[in-house]
Amino acid sequence: KNEVEQSPQNLTAQEGEFITINCSYSVGISALHWLQQHPGGGIVSLFMLSSGKKKHGRLIATINIQEKHSSLHITASHPRDSAVYICAVRSQGAQKLVFGQGTRLTINP
Amino acid sequence: ETGVTQTPRHLVMGMTNKKSLKCEQHLGHNAMYWYKQSAKKPLELMFVYNFKEQTENNSVPSRFSPECPNSSHLFLHLHTLQPEDSALYLCASSQEWEWGLAGGPNTYNEQFFGPGTRLTVL
Repeated sequence: KNEVEQSPQNLTAQEGEFITINCSYSVGISALHWLQQHPGGGIVSLFMLSSGKKKHGRLIATINIQEKHSSLHITASHPRDSAVYICAVRSQGAQKLVFGQGTRLTINP
Repeated sequence: ETGVTQTPRHLVMGMTNKKSLKCEQHLGHNAMYWYKQSAKKPLELMFVYNFKEQTENNSVPSRFSPECPNSSHLFLHLHTLQPEDSALYLCASSQEWEWGLAGGPNTYNEQFFGPGTRLTVL
């Protein structure tokens, strides 16, 4: 079992829908990342959080340290949100990131 | 140039070739990373360099040889690769805590990724 599990692996929705992607992890962490990877490969960091909730535009990320769970929400989804969303954690005392397998999101017009 | 750049963006090589991937960060960071992303697998860490010193080698075969001549540049030298080494190779950088800065050893700054090099080994 991976240290970081994401669900769902694939998600297709219609434009305007509210999207939720989940991430569960099994180790103590110092930080959790949500990353976005578009076709072509480049990765953009969306959020880094260690507690509570962060919001940036239509994106919201939450984390529950006790439950070892984080969610990424997208409000009013748009086709340009189509990408792979990756959860990654940094274990306490470690420097490297451990990645989930990614969630492929497709938003249809 | 800004952020993290990687060259080449695409590379096709035979199993007997020797090639190098280059990464450059323009962010003043002190740590750099090589990651590998194979088809249908999560990203996995290959190497970590802090202050030009290799601090982590994630059991990477010796046909991959990293080099960090200074804190802004990172290379990955490739020789006698196998077709299963075909993947997207991503470089990243971050600013890690060092003595004299505010915070402490657990202060964490996010990693910034380059666009990647898509490698195909024939």
